[in-house]
Amino acid sequence: GENVEQHPSTLSVQEGDSAVIKCTYSDSASNYFPWYKQELGKRPQLIIDIRSNVGEKKDQRIAVTLNKTAKHFSLHITETQPEDSAVYFCAASLYNNNDMRFGAGTRLTVKP
Amino acid sequence: NAGVTQTPKFQVLKTGQSMTLQCAQDMNHNSMYWYRQDPGMGLRLIYYSASEGTTDKGEVPNGYNVSRLNKREFSLRLESAAPSQTSVYFCASTRVRNEQFFGPGTRLTVL
Repeated sequence: GENVEQHPSTLSVQEGDSAVIKCTYSDSASNYFPWYKQELGKRPQLIIDIRSNVGEKKDQRIAVTLNKTAKHFSLHITETQPEDSAVYFCAASLYNNNDMRFGAGTRLTVKP
Repeated sequence: NAGVTQTPKFQVLKTGQSMTLQCAQDMNHNSMYWYRQDPGMGLRLIYYSASEGTTDKGEVPNGYNVSRLNKREFSLRLESAAPSQTSVYFCASTRVRNEQFFGPGTRLTVL
């Protein structure tokens, strides 16, 4: 089955700096790559996703890039703010396939 | 519109006891899921149900059973709880876009 690895496990940045979180996946057939944000004590929520027919997707301060050849994808957050502090999870699956595999998560801390 | 709801929010069991975690969604989603979340291990899929009347194993199904009671409800049962099942359990449901909507979670401790 699919295996997703996520790095780093913790990341601390100064407010206003950029943050990058990287994930690799093992199954070349995977074609759907979402990112979820989980604030402390809350439920995970989708922040952005990308399908393998595009290489990059952007939504305001958040962007995701995908390299299918290398089987890795990354989350980029620019101009970080304290409210960006949370745990971020990447995931991979076949689109419309129910068996989604998640990375272990990255705890991002944005210092004011 | 409550989204995805779970009961209970917290539960403490003794080893060997059984219990059922309840999940319901009011978004008319076809697919529903049960995950467990452990520190440093992300979310791991236990079981899922692609549609009413069907269920399939995920990554970590051992020690669990599920029932898709109707389109709205998907329950997770622990027949004989073990300390290794201490975790936070999330239910989720999906619409066709693949975005998973999660419930608030159930924090389970098995002593």
